[in-house]
Amino acid sequence: RKEVEQDPGPFNVPEGATVAFNCTYSNSASQSFFWYRQDCRKEPKLLMSVYSSGNEDGRFTAQLNRASQYISLLIRDSKLSDSATYLCVPGTQGAQKLVFGQGTRLTINP
Amino acid sequence: NAGVTQTPKFRILKIGQSMTLQCTQDMNHNYMYWYRQDPGMGLKLIYYSVGAGITDKGEVPNGYNVSRSTTEDFPLRLELAAPSQTSVYFCASSYPSSSGGSYEQYFGPGTRLTVT
Repeated sequence: RKEVEQDPGPFNVPEGATVAFNCTYSNSASQSFFWYRQDCRKEPKLLMSVYSSGNEDGRFTAQLNRASQYISLLIRDSKLSDSATYLCVPGTQGAQKLVFGQGTRLTINP
Repeated sequence: NAGVTQTPKFRILKIGQSMTLQCTQDMNHNYMYWYRQDPGMGLKLIYYSVGAGITDKGEVPNGYNVSRSTTEDFPLRLELAAPSQTSVYFCASSYPSSSGGSYEQYFGPGTRLTVT
């Protein structure tokens, strides 16, 4: 089983819609989680860090389910500017490296 | 506070040439990383460093070398460029958690390298 698995998409949703995608991780020792967004041909940028059961920042909500080993990202009232690839990254205590998922590609349509 | 900076932004190399990709961070982060990303693919770790004088191989180190003489700088060296090294190269840095693990990483803008 891969350390991180994400549905690559693409997800095509209309502007204003709510969209959610999941990320599953295999290492039960993962304790922190990061969501990054990556625009085409640009560097990944940190969107959100999750250290407990979840986090919310404006229109973005991350929820962690440790029992089932997945973390979800919910985007409400989606904007055209939300179009990007979203990378899920679990962090493991003591691990000096992060494992980046392949990402989920999201396109918001006008 | 510039964060992570990389130079050059673009470079075209001929097969067999060598070059150094520069990476500097001004956040006093102990940990630094080099990744490559091929078109449509995910990030692959090339090398990383947990402090000055300490480096370790990642997933795809062949054909590359690194050094870390200061906290701020982590250059990546390509000795004999090959077409398979055509990629976008990202440098990243982070500070360590209390357990020694990596906290969130911050990325530079990348270097786009073409080897022909």
